Amino acid sequence: RKEVEQDPGPFNVPEGATVAFNCTYSNSASQSFFWYRQDCRKEPKLLMSVYSSGNEDGRFTAQLNRASQYISLLIRDSKLSDSATYLCVVRRGSTLGRLYFGRGTQLTVWP
Amino acid sequence: GAVVSQHPSWVICKSGTSVKIECRSLDFQATTMFWYRQFPKQSLMLMATSNEGSKATYEQGVEKDKFLINHASLTLSTLTVTSAHPEDSSFYICSARHRNEQFFGPGTRLTVL
Repeated sequence: RKEVEQDPGPFNVPEGATVAFNCTYSNSASQSFFWYRQDCRKEPKLLMSVYSSGNEDGRFTAQLNRASQYISLLIRDSKLSDSATYLCVVRRGSTLGRLYFGRGTQLTVWP
Repeated sequence: GAVVSQHPSWVICKSGTSVKIECRSLDFQATTMFWYRQFPKQSLMLMATSNEGSKATYEQGVEKDKFLINHASLTLSTLTVTSAHPEDSSFYICSARHRNEQFFGPGTRLTVL
């Protein structure tokens, strides 16, 4: 079983739409959770960390359910510039632990 | 945030040749750097963890004699793909840890003919 599972999509939505991505992780020892954004042929960039209580950053809201080992990302009022692949990432143990990446969910926002 | 650079950004080589990829932390020192590989539409897979001044730690299934890693200074790690074959064609990305966050290089696209 993969460490991190994501629906690869693609998700194709119009500008202004709300879109949600889901992710599950297999190892209950995972301690830290992140969403990264990766543009085509570019490196991943940290979008936001995910906290147990849920957190919001502008149009982006992340949620974590430790009992279900489930992470979500909600994007409101989608922009064309949101088009990218969104990677769900978990880290086991301490801040020195390795990162495990999902294969990513592809999002295309059309005008 | 911290900046990590990689060189070259892309390389095309013939089968059987060796290719060296450099990863540099530009504005911080990194005792630990990571090398990942990403095939099209796949997730980043950790190949090895590079430790300054000591041997790299390779993930299961990664041949240490084929993917040579050298981390000779606190700002530079190199990955050498020896005797490259077409199946080694991939996107190689390094990252360095700084203040509990990992920063990624822009990646190197390797094509082996």
